[in-house]
Amino acid sequence: AQKITQTQPGMFVQEKEAVTLDCTYDTSDPSYGLFWYKQPSSGEMIFLIYQGSYDQQNATEGRYSLNFQKARKSANLVISASQLGDSAMYFCAMREGRGTASKLTFGTGTRLQVTL
Amino acid sequence: NAGVMQNPRHLVRRRGQEARLRCSPMKGHSHVYWYRQLPEEGLKFMVYLQKENIIDESGMPKERFSAEFPKEGPSILRIQQVVRGDSAAYFCASSPASRGETQYFGPGTRLLVL
Repeated sequence: AQKITQTQPGMFVQEKEAVTLDCTYDTSDPSYGLFWYKQPSSGEMIFLIYQGSYDQQNATEGRYSLNFQKARKSANLVISASQLGDSAMYFCAMREGRGTASKLTFGTGTRLQVTL
Repeated sequence: NAGVMQNPRHLVRRRGQEARLRCSPMKGHSHVYWYRQLPEEGLKFMVYLQKENIIDESGMPKERFSAEFPKEGPSILRIQQVVRGDSAAYFCASSPASRGETQYFGPGTRLLVL
């Protein structure tokens, strides 16, 4: 089974609108962390937001928020007030194991296109 | 505070040559990870190193690939006798020793094997 599933290969959103990028995960470890990264056309990987499995509140970072539904094993990224510069690939990733430095498992990504 | 640095940014090799990719982690970070991204795919974990130690190499191909993170200097990912299938973007990430929560990525090295 896929550990991280991103079911939306591509998404379009109009400028200034909000958009939700889906991510579901699969783990039996009670301690894990979920991450979202942005990869613009220039190719670098930019860290956006992190959610720990024991965090009580949904993570927020500026226009990014993470809709964490633990029972459903989903960690959707919400981008509010989309901007043209948000056009990029977005990857969801998971780290299993609390407080230990360990590998990230990535999804296949969602390509977001922001239109005028 | 400089971010994760990788060089070269682009590397072209002919089949059978060696490729050496370098990664300098962020200041204060002692954990280094290498990932590979094939065209139109997500990143796949290759190897995790701390200074002078390989902690997890479960994602490394058994042959031709090796990695090191010496006491002094950058981490090196070495690919011997490259083949066309090695063409990919190779990303290095680093995280601090005290909190392994977030990995910060370098800009990547794009390897093209002719």
